[in-house]
Amino acid sequence: DVKVTQSSRYLVKRTGEKVFLECVQDMDHENMFWYRQDPGLGLRLIYFSYDVKMKEKGDIPEGYSVSREKKERFSLILESASTNQTSMYLCASSPPGSRYEQYFGPGTRLTVT
Amino acid sequence: DQQVKQNSPSLSVQEGRISILNCDYTNSMFDYFLWYKKYPAEGPTFLISISSIKDKNEDGRFTVFLNKSAKHLSLHIVPSQPGDSAVYFCAASAVGGQGAQKLVFGQGTRLTINP
Repeated sequence: DVKVTQSSRYLVKRTGEKVFLECVQDMDHENMFWYRQDPGLGLRLIYFSYDVKMKEKGDIPEGYSVSREKKERFSLILESASTNQTSMYLCASSPPGSRYEQYFGPGTRLTVT
Repeated sequence: DQQVKQNSPSLSVQEGRISILNCDYTNSMFDYFLWYKKYPAEGPTFLISISSIKDKNEDGRFTVFLNKSAKHLSLHIVPSQPGDSAVYFCAASAVGGQGAQKLVFGQGTRLTINP
């Protein structure tokens, strides 16, 4: 079974704090993704990575950065958290190619106060 | 600009009846479509997919139909069961390059199956 784990299920941070969200997958997948899910907006892609040290901006990268130093780990960084970054953050992984489904982690509910 | 749209935020269906969830897309470069199911406090899980060379794909109680000319796909669940109550997302990917690895998701439809 593919397993994607995220470091925290719930996180509360203050405005201006630096926030790290960690994601680890155990299936040796090349591709990893970070999304945020907001009511009425569905899942929106923040960043994705198709190889170690490679990253591509998604649809809403502003205010975020990512790091992929090892194949199994993909980190999302909020350099200076703001209240509009309060959201559910979902990590996913997939094998290379466009004909494979993505496997998702359980999500991190981040609240920025 | 929302390239994948699910215009019904919610749907309520009686147990045993058919559930039909709809999805429209605007990008003619999309050639692979997927449906995901999401329970509260869990990540989405893959349900079923369809390539643009097909117009129907069936897996047990779940069937996805694709109408390319109308840029429309639908998910049929027959018969609906209480465990099907969840949020359903449709997603699409486009041909070519690294961008082909990305999925574009709709807003989701919350399906409630009533006993």
